[in-house]
Amino acid sequence: AQTVTQSQPEMSVQEAETVTLSCTYDTSESDYYLFWYKQPPSRQMILVIRQEAYKQQNATENRFSVNFQKAAKSFSLKISDSQLGDAAMYFCAYRGGGGGADGLTFGKGTHLIIQP
Amino acid sequence: SAVISQKPSRDICQRGTSLTIQCQVDSQVTMMFWYRQQPGQSLTLIATANQGSEATYESGFVIDKFPISRPNLTFSTLTVSNMSPEDSSIYLCSVTAGGTSTDTQYFGPGTRLTVL
Repeated sequence: AQTVTQSQPEMSVQEAETVTLSCTYDTSESDYYLFWYKQPPSRQMILVIRQEAYKQQNATENRFSVNFQKAAKSFSLKISDSQLGDAAMYFCAYRGGGGGADGLTFGKGTHLIIQP
Repeated sequence: SAVISQKPSRDICQRGTSLTIQCQVDSQVTMMFWYRQQPGQSLTLIATANQGSEATYESGFVIDKFPISRPNLTFSTLTVSNMSPEDSSIYLCSVTAGGTSTDTQYFGPGTRLTVL
């Protein structure tokens, strides 16, 4: 079974600075997808960024980027120019490459605090 | 992406009763997923619901406790049966979006359930 590990229960960063959230995973599959989701206090799960394992290029979405190291099974999220609205729980998630029928396996989450 | 709504948004229930949660999507989707998020925890997949077939349950979840219906391509229900305080959680519905985003899951706003 796949596992996802987020080793940082909580992170704190000053507004406008950069922060990196860590995620490692374990899988025997070669084709899979990785995601970062954000969950603010409203509890709505919001997709931040996704990465296909077959792509070597790291995904980017505006201020959000990932460092995907397939051999090391590492998938970290970098948030640049942190804003107060970035404060939330961040979950790393894994999905196998078996088409649309697979559910997600989540890490335990990292609580991100933005200090003004 | 897909727009997903859930009803009710929250409820407080008595021990031993059952609650049915509805999930409505604004477009036709093949797979729908139900997750549970216990207080302060991450998300755990309960089951996968494919229209026209029985739902597939993850280890630790059984149909008698969490019966699921999937009558058409835009709607599903999850029932939490014979509830106990341990069932107090947020229950989230999600779908896999079509087109080029077939491998991304989008989430509904969740149903916060409290069992007394």
